[in-house]
Amino acid sequence: AQKVTQAQTEISVVEKEDVTLDCVYETRDTTYYLFWYKQPPSGELVFLIRRNSFDEQNEISGRYSWNFQKSTSSFNFTITASQVVDSAGYFCALSFNDYKLSFGAGTTVTVRA
Amino acid sequence: ETGVTQTPRHLVMGMTNKKSLKCEQHLGHNAMYWYKQSAKKPLELMFVYNFKEQTENNSVPSRFSPECPNSSHLFLHLHTLQPEDSALYLCASSQGVGQPQHFGDGTRLSIL
Repeated sequence: AQKVTQAQTEISVVEKEDVTLDCVYETRDTTYYLFWYKQPPSGELVFLIRRNSFDEQNEISGRYSWNFQKSTSSFNFTITASQVVDSAGYFCALSFNDYKLSFGAGTTVTVRA
Repeated sequence: ETGVTQTPRHLVMGMTNKKSLKCEQHLGHNAMYWYKQSAKKPLELMFVYNFKEQTENNSVPSRFSPECPNSSHLFLHLHTLQPEDSALYLCASSQGVGQPQHFGDGTRLSIL
C-alpha cells in the first residue's frame, strides 16, 4: 500500500527563519513520483515540484529547496528566509503508474512578521 | 481564461436540494479529477476521468454523480447530501500518468 506521512501538523516561525517540512513515504514500487503542493488560504493547490524515483538530485528554486533520499524514503522541503507570504498549507503527494495521487495530511506553516 | 476554473466558489444547500459543480480546464489535458478536502483530513480522491472515460471511482456514495462530456469539462452532480458532505471540493487536470495535477480554486460546499 502506498502512504505518505507528514508528521508535522503545524509549524510557526518568525520571518526570515528557515523552515523544513518533512515527508516520508511508503511504497514497494520501484517507479513512482513525488510532488509538493502549496495551498494558500484561497484554497487552490499550487504545484511546486515533481520528482521521479530515479532522480535523486536535490533541487533549489529560489528560496525553496528539496532533499530526496530514497534510503530513508523521504522527500523533505525547506523554505529559506521565510516570508509572511509563505504562510499556507503544504502537501506532499505520491503517485505510481496510474492516475491516483495520494496526499499526506499536510503541514500548516505560519510565518509571523 | 487560464488553468482550471471551478464554479461556483461557494455553495450552501439543503439536504433535499439538487445542485451541480462545474470544472473547466484550459490546459489541453486528458485527465480530470474530483477531490474532497474535509477539515483535519487528507485530500480524498473521488473520481478520475481519462479521455472522458471514468477510470476511478473511489467508493464514493451514489449521491455524488460525476459527468465528463469532453476532456475540458467535468461536473459533479449533487443530490440528497448529508451534513458530513460539507467540504472543499477540488477539481484537477493532468496531461497523463505521473504528471503534475493542476488544481482549481475549489468549491466550498456547506450542507444545512
